[in-house]
Amino acid sequence: AQKITQTQPGMFVQEKEAVTLDCTYDTSDQSYGLFWYKQPSSGEMIFLIYQGSYDEQNATEGRYSLNFQKARKSANLVISASQLGDSAMYFCAMREGRDDKIIFGKGTRLHILP
Amino acid sequence: SAVISQKPSRDICQRGTSLTIQCQVDSQVTMMFWYRQQPGQSLTLIATANQGSEATYESGFVIDKFPISRPNLTFSTLTVSNMSPEDSSIYLCSALGLREQYFGPGTRLTVT
Repeated sequence: AQKITQTQPGMFVQEKEAVTLDCTYDTSDQSYGLFWYKQPSSGEMIFLIYQGSYDEQNATEGRYSLNFQKARKSANLVISASQLGDSAMYFCAMREGRDDKIIFGKGTRLHILP
Repeated sequence: SAVISQKPSRDICQRGTSLTIQCQVDSQVTMMFWYRQQPGQSLTLIATANQGSEATYESGFVIDKFPISRPNLTFSTLTVSNMSPEDSSIYLCSALGLREQYFGPGTRLTVT
């Protein structure tokens, strides 16, 4: 079974609109962490935001926020006021277990339209 | 934060040969990992590079094909052995921080 599920292979969004990228996860651990990464066409992995399972507040980093719904095992990324430079591949990932390894979802390719 | 460098950044290799990729972190880190990203795909974890002991490999990856070294807390190597065209991928080194996992720029490998 997939640990991280991103159901949107691709999305097209008009510039300046808000975007929500979906991510659900599967774990039996009580302690885990959730990440979002951006990968532009250059290939680098850019860290966007992190949410710990015990964090009481939803994480925010500038235009990025993470809508963490623990009971639903959901960790959606919200990008406010999208920009053309937001066009990229976005990966949701989870860290769990004592070995701290991170497992990635299949990704969502986001296209921002002018 | 940690900055990770990888060498080489890209290479074109003939089938049957081996390539060693180096990963250097600018600070001491506890955990280092190697990932593979095949064209158009997500990242797949190859192994955890353990300092001073054998790497821990994920299902589908074996030490004979992907030997890994980690002699200290800032350096690791991944060797892709006896390469075939199916090994053409981007190989990424990664290091664990407190609330972030850092990634190197990747090594783009093409096997002909």
